[in-house]
Amino acid sequence: EIVMTQSPATLSVSPGERATLSCRASQSVSSNLAWYQQKPGQAPRLLIYGASTRATGIPARFSGSGSGTEFTLTISSLQSEDFAVYYCQQYNNWRWTFGQGTKVEIK
Amino acid sequence: QVQLVQSGAEVKKPGASVKVSCKASGYTFTGYYMHWVRQAPGQGLEWMGRINPNSGGTNYAQKFQGRVTMTRDRSISTAYMELSRLRSDDTAVFYCARAFDTAMAPAWFDPWGQGTLVTVSS
Repeated sequence: EIVMTQSPATLSVSPGERATLSCRASQSVSSNLAWYQQKPGQAPRLLIYGASTRATGIPARFSGSGSGTEFTLTISSLQSEDFAVYYCQQYNNWRWTFGQGTKVEIK
Repeated sequence: QVQLVQSGAEVKKPGASVKVSCKASGYTFTGYYMHWVRQAPGQGLEWMGRINPNSGGTNYAQKFQGRVTMTRDRSISTAYMELSRLRSDDTAVFYCARAFDTAMAPAWFDPWGQGTLVTVSS
């Protein structure tokens, strides 16, 4: 099983600042990585797939980068609605796995 | 618009089974795999398995093999996930999610159902 490790567990950021979230895979997943946002009481929402392609309707302040084992989600200027938990997911093999999540909270 | 609507919350006793439904609309149900994901309270996301709504073929995570059964009814564009021999640590929200898998490559999930809370308690 490919283990996905996200860091940090919690990120405290002020509105308007940049947030950088990391995700590491235990073995290469090429660019087969997605990012999801989850708010309390809601289902996850797709933000990024293919490591760097924004999903339909996702604002340009969200960007993804990386390949192989190291990936980054950047939120360029945090808005109030962006405070949430973010998960990375690999889909490189036929056993999908998720990171444990990064909570982005208001500083 | 593409939408997945799941059945309501359930309370079950240990040892029982639960069957959660996921009704799809806004797209061709048989054209996309449907996956199921579990989220225990305050925890992360755990992939359970998937079903091909066209063929009915399934793939299950090893952890749930033998306890989970995924089925579908094409006539009403609905997928089902049944989990048997429930334990208290099965208390969780269960999500269905459409995936862009092809025969050659796995893919991402979009959208997700709203989730179904299953509480296992004596």
